[in-house]
Amino acid sequence: AQTVTQSQPEMSVQEAETVTLSCTYDTSESDYYLFWYKQPPSRQMILVIRQEAYKQQNATENRFSVNFQKAAKSFSLKISDSQLGDAAMYFCAYRPRWKGGSEKLVFGKGTKLTVNP
Amino acid sequence: DTAVSQTPKYLVTQMGNDKSIKCEQNLGHDTMYWYKQDSKKFLKIMFSYNNKELIINETVPNRFSPKSPDKAHLNLHINSLELGDSAVYFCASSQDSYSGANVLTFGAGSRLTVL
Repeated sequence: AQTVTQSQPEMSVQEAETVTLSCTYDTSESDYYLFWYKQPPSRQMILVIRQEAYKQQNATENRFSVNFQKAAKSFSLKISDSQLGDAAMYFCAYRPRWKGGSEKLVFGKGTKLTVNP
Repeated sequence: DTAVSQTPKYLVTQMGNDKSIKCEQNLGHDTMYWYKQDSKKFLKIMFSYNNKELIINETVPNRFSPKSPDKAHLNLHINSLELGDSAVYFCASSQDSYSGANVLTFGAGSRLTVL
């Protein structure tokens, strides 16, 4: 079974600084997708960024970028120029590309990010 | 317009009661999901329906029964509520279930508290 591990239960960063959240995963699949979701105090789950495993280029979305290391099964999220609104729980998630219709999105346990003014 | 809406947002009830949570999506998606987030924030899939057909049924007590009257709606009925059922339940939808590429859009969650 696929598992997703986030080894940092909590992280903090100063406003305007850069922070990196770690994620590793375990799978025997070769083709899959990786995601970072953000859950602010409002509870709403918001997609931050998505990476396709067959693409070597790391995904970027404005201040958010990933470091995807397929061989190491590592998928870290870098937040540049941190803002107060970035404070949230961040979840790493994995989903296989094809599983006959039962492609489950599997989440890690989350990292709580605090942004200090 | 909210893309995925759940009602109620908060639900407080006594042990042994039966309750339902409703979910509706206006995105035209074929697939809908229920996830449970426990007190430690861990999110785990419970059920998935594709165009009204059950396709994922995780190891969940049979007190939990999902129902999908049409592809835009997925309700969750819980019988004989127990203390351990207290959690936030998230509904989500995706375009279809046949590719892991499809992004899930989540509702705002329904916090269930069982006393």
